[in-house]
Amino acid sequence: DVKVTQSSRYLVKRTGEKVFLECVQDMDHENMFWYRQDPGLGLRLIYFSYDVKMKEKGDIPEGYSVSREKKERFSLILESASTNQTSMYLCASSSHKQGNYGYTFGSGTRLTVV
Amino acid sequence: SQKIEQNSEALNIQEGKTATLTCNYTNYSPAYLQWYRQDPGRGPVFLLLIRENEKEKRKERLKVTFDTTLKQSLFHITASQPADSATYLCALRNDYKLSFGAGTTVTVRA
Repeated sequence: DVKVTQSSRYLVKRTGEKVFLECVQDMDHENMFWYRQDPGLGLRLIYFSYDVKMKEKGDIPEGYSVSREKKERFSLILESASTNQTSMYLCASSSHKQGNYGYTFGSGTRLTVV
Repeated sequence: SQKIEQNSEALNIQEGKTATLTCNYTNYSPAYLQWYRQDPGRGPVFLLLIRENEKEKRKERLKVTFDTTLKQSLFHITASQPADSATYLCALRNDYKLSFGAGTTVTVRA
């Protein structure tokens, strides 16, 4: 069964900490994405990547950075965590080669910053 | 500005009835539109994609329509079951990325 795996389901961090959220996919997908989801706001795109070592800003990149050193792994970094970054973080991957363009999402990481 | 709007109200329906969800968008010219299902505490799961030149698409008990003139998609769950209870999200492709609506929560009563 193909999947996108996020390293943690729940995470509690302190304000000011550097936080790493890891995402790995086993489908050989070119494209990977990081979203955050908040009640009433839906999913908002933070960063995405179309290839190894390539990254593009999404709609809300401030306070975040990403790293894609290998095709299967896409990491989201919170440089200095703040309470307004408390949220559900969702990683997704897709492939234009498949034709249907559907995204495969991980189960999410619920991050609480205290 | 660009907007994707879904039914703001949650939908409560009786088992066996048809649920109809609406997705309206402004300032997009999407090549296609997608629908996802999301269960509490889980990531969204891709259900269907409909292209701009398709009027209707079906998958088992699901039916999606896409009207690019009205800038609207309708998502129907026919013969609904309690297992269909979830939040349903529509998504549009915009500049190589997918933008999502906030979702509509459907509860099917037995």
